[in-house]
Amino acid sequence: DAGITQSPRHKVTETGTPVTLRCHQTENHRYMYWYRQDPGHGLRLIHYSYGVKDTDKGEVSDGYSVSRSKTEDFLLTLESATSSQTSVYFCAISRTRGDYEQYFGPGTRLTVT
Amino acid sequence: GQQVMQIPQYQHVQEGEDFTTYCNSSTTLSNIQWYKQRPGGHPVFLIQLVKSGEVKKQKRLTFQFGEAKKNSSLHITATQTTDVGTYFCAGSGGAGGTSYGKLTFGQGTILTVHP
Repeated sequence: DAGITQSPRHKVTETGTPVTLRCHQTENHRYMYWYRQDPGHGLRLIHYSYGVKDTDKGEVSDGYSVSRSKTEDFLLTLESATSSQTSVYFCAISRTRGDYEQYFGPGTRLTVT
Repeated sequence: GQQVMQIPQYQHVQEGEDFTTYCNSSTTLSNIQWYKQRPGGHPVFLIQLVKSGEVKKQKRLTFQFGEAKKNSSLHITATQTTDVGTYFCAGSGGAGGTSYGKLTFGQGTILTVHP
């Protein structure tokens, strides 16, 4: 498996609190992605990064922000968590934008009560 | 925006039976990828198809990419209990432009195999 870790692996938080999820890679890959997975929806892209400090929105970015200050770390922040953000969050990395496969981290299960 | 539809949503088979999942895109794709996710696990890359009409095989798995590059299928021959999981197709944007490797995933097909 690619060197990708996510922290925390599980988190329960209350509505209205800020939450930050971390994705860390040891592969020095340029491209990083945050997805959420919900039953019946597959994987939906939240935000992605194509380099340090270079990020852009995916299809479900409302309520989420990201930051990438180092190649190895990609942070996803929920500024004020809502129950609709209860989900499993996956980070993925890709070597190039040339349509190479994505490697996924183990996921973070987030519950917002 | 680009949409990728995958059917069926669920498939229950007896061990030894064949299984097929289908993927259809609303737009022409530059390539399509397939992933497998075991229960409780994370998606794992299986294969990428790039050429129109391409067919690739991995042991009992056969992957096809349509001539128009808008549809794809995954066929498993003689399923085994180790095939259990969710199979996702994921399409990458059409020709031209900068996709940054973004993928649009289908909803997935959950396969259960009864021994």
